[in-house]
Amino acid sequence: DAKTTQPPSMDCAEGRAANLPCNHSTISGNEYVYWYRQIHSQGPQYIIHGLKNNETNEMASLIITEDRKSSTLILPHATLRDTAVYYCIVKPTGKLIFGQGTTLQVKP
Amino acid sequence: NAGVMQNPRHLVRRRGQEARLRCSPMKGHSHVYWYRQLPEEGLKFMVYLQKENIIDESGMPKERFSAEFPKEGPSILRIQQVVRGDSAAYFCASSRDGMYDYEQYFGPGTRLTVT
Repeated sequence: DAKTTQPPSMDCAEGRAANLPCNHSTISGNEYVYWYRQIHSQGPQYIIHGLKNNETNEMASLIITEDRKSSTLILPHATLRDTAVYYCIVKPTGKLIFGQGTTLQVKP
Repeated sequence: NAGVMQNPRHLVRRRGQEARLRCSPMKGHSHVYWYRQLPEEGLKFMVYLQKENIIDESGMPKERFSAEFPKEGPSILRIQQVVRGDSAAYFCASSRDGMYDYEQYFGPGTRLTVT
């Protein structure tokens, strides 16, 4: 399974864009990059996923580098409710393997 | 469309009792996954099931834990003779397919406390 590396913590001002980086240099050609978040102790929430093209949905944008060795999750206008642990996961078939993630603290 | 449902949300058991955790997947989803989160730790995969079949149980403890996903009804995670170390949040997720590009949606979890 591919390994991901994320910074342990980040701060962001409310209303500003939050850019969360992830390195996945050993990703295989058919593996997707997934982002989830866990707010406090709730169930993890799916955010977005992609293979090699940039993706956008109502929650966030995902930018994947051309060599696919890294990606960035962008929350365009962070709010206090976006404070959470964000997980970048390279997914083979089946299970998700969660790392330590990035704790994003959105500050007023 | 209702999301993944788990019950009970909180469960208290004494050491040596059995715990049964239930998970109803989203409508149209036939793949179910169980994850465990110990206090102050990360989420760990336990088992992956498709209707009536266990696909991957590489994360299940070898003893006392079992899981099923019958043709009819919810998926059940069963813990026999619980010990204090089983106290954790247990999350269930479901997906339409287990392949690369199908996202998993999580339930709210069951918080198990063993006294």
